[in-house]
Order: sequence, then C-alpha cells, then structure tokens
Amino acid sequence: DAKTTQPPSMDCAEGRAANLPCNHSTISGNEYVYWYRQIHSQGPQYIIHGLKNNETNEMASLIITEDRKSSTLILPHATLRDTAVYYCIVRVPQMEYGNKLVFGAGTILRVKS
Amino acid sequence: GAGVSQSPSNKVTEKGKDVELRCDPISGHTALYWYRQSLGQGLEFLIYFQGNSAPDKSGLPSDRFSAERTGGSVSTLTIQRTQQEDSAVYLCASSFSGVNTGELFFGEGSRLTVL
Repeated sequence: DAKTTQPPSMDCAEGRAANLPCNHSTISGNEYVYWYRQIHSQGPQYIIHGLKNNETNEMASLIITEDRKSSTLILPHATLRDTAVYYCIVRVPQMEYGNKLVFGAGTILRVKS
Repeated sequence: GAGVSQSPSNKVTEKGKDVELRCDPISGHTALYWYRQSLGQGLEFLIYFQGNSAPDKSGLPSDRFSAERTGGSVSTLTIQRTQQEDSAVYLCASSFSGVNTGELFFGEGSRLTVL
C-alpha cells in the first residue's frame, strides 16, 4: 500500500473550514484514498473515501488532485467536536485482506473557539 | 445494539495471567478485525477474519496472542501469560465483505492494563 504523509498537527478556528492535506505521491491506479478520524478515547470513525473523483457526504468533502498524488479533506464548518486525530489511508481493496486498513500517525486537528 | 460491542471495557490483570476480550460485530458483517493501540501510539493491525477463518494473522505480535470467531459472529481475542507491554486498548471493527465499501465500524475498545 502507498505511503501517506500528513502534517502532525493543525489548528482551526471554530466555524471556519478545516483543510487537512495528505500526500500520497506513490499511489497506484487502483488504490483508494480513505479518511478516518479518532476522537479522544473513542474508536476510529469512517469519514469518506474516493478513487479519483471528488466526493462529498454529510461529514466532509474529499478533493483529490488530478494526478492523484495528494488529497485534501475539508470539514466545511469545524466545531469543537471535530477535534480529533485524522488519518489518511491509501490502499487497494484486496479480497484476501478484506478492507484491512493500515493506520499511520495522522494529523491532530485542534478546533479552537 | 446497532454498533460493534466490546467487553470488558476495562480489564486490569496481573502479569502472567491470561485474558479474553470479546467482540460482537454488527449483524450481517462477515469481516471482523482486531487492532490495538498503545498509549499515545497509532493503531496496530492484529488479525482479520472473513467468516470464521482468518486469512490474515500477520499482525499478531507473538504466539501468546490468538483469536477465534464462531458462527461468523462473535470473536474472542486471547492473550496468554500477559506481559506489561501488552497494556493497550484493543479495538475490534467489522465490515461488509464487498471490497469497495471501505468502511470499517469500530467498537469503543477494551482497555487492558497489565500490572
């Protein structure tokens, strides 16, 4: 699976958009980009995933560059409850491994009032 | 309940004792995963089940660790002769088996403390 690089931490003002970057320059054509987050003392929570098109759901938007070497997770109106560790994961779904995900260090997002 | 349920939520044990951690996945999810997270560390994959079989056990750290799944549902992670370095939060997740779903549903974890 392709390696990802994320900044270790970011701050965001409450009510503003949080833009979390992820570099995955070695991504291959059939690898998806997944985003999860982990709020303190809770299990990780799925946010969104995509292959090459931008994606949006009720939680966030995922913008993938045309060359697919990087992506940005956007939380449009960050709240204090969005303070968490955000993980960007790149992988190809493999039948023998199911949806196994390998988590890196992620980005600690601190939303401040 | 509707989510992944894990028990116990907290377990304190003495070094050398065996412990069992239980995971009840979401009904209908055929895939089940165990991860662990040591204090201040990232998530470490342990084992993956598809139905009752485990095609990927690559993350189990030693032969003191084992897991089983019965009836395609409940899974038990067993740690024998616990050591202090086994102290961590053990997280279970489940998902559908379709390769493109991408979404794992995690439980709240079982916090293990080995004294």
